[in-house]
Amino acid sequence: AQSVTQLDSQVPVFEEAPVELRCNYSSSVSVYLFWYVQYPNQGLQLLLKYLSGSTLVKSINGFEAEFNKSQTSFHLRKPSVHISDTAEYFCAVVAPGGSYIPTFGRGTSLIVHP
Amino acid sequence: DARVTQTPRHKVTEMGQEVTMRCQPILGHNTVFWYRQTMMQGLELLAYFRNRAPLDDSGMPKDRFSAEMPDATLATLKIQPSEPRDSAVYFCASGSRQGQYEQYFGPGTRLTVT
Repeated sequence: AQSVTQLDSQVPVFEEAPVELRCNYSSSVSVYLFWYVQYPNQGLQLLLKYLSGSTLVKSINGFEAEFNKSQTSFHLRKPSVHISDTAEYFCAVVAPGGSYIPTFGRGTSLIVHP
Repeated sequence: DARVTQTPRHKVTEMGQEVTMRCQPILGHNTVFWYRQTMMQGLELLAYFRNRAPLDDSGMPKDRFSAEMPDATLATLKIQPSEPRDSAVYFCASGSRQGQYEQYFGPGTRLTVT
């Protein structure tokens, strides 16, 4: 079984400041890692994912996440946030070859202030 | 642009009434998930189908909830009878092994039971 911990329930930042949203996971097997974003009144949508290969993965809108196997972490970062990045962010893990069922974290609310 | 669709988007009903929510997964996807999202509990998995077969509904209250996939283009979630504690946003998501376990979420059905 897997578990995901998102250490911060809410992260307030000012526009153009850098941000890091933390995600740690626990698993006895190798996992795929995902970050999803949920804008107000919408469903979740995939932001980026790590399956294998380079441990640094990037999204098209400036976010990046780094897989750290020794620390079992997959923190999400952006060097300069916009007001439009205000949303809920969910970290998730899936064990490949298993049941397809992801384990989601509780989510982190990113609030960007002008 | 392939999307998961859900109907209705909003539903207000009285306690004791039957509620049916519908989901059309993305064509070609072979997995379908039903989730419930509330402020208190976060995102909860209710049911999971693969190739239309129910594989996991352990998160679903069996006495009042039921989930089915009558065909590959339709998934339904039914609550009978509904209770105020069922008020939540219900999401459907679909995915495929070829998609490497990422999920595509619908816009959700916001249910209010009075």
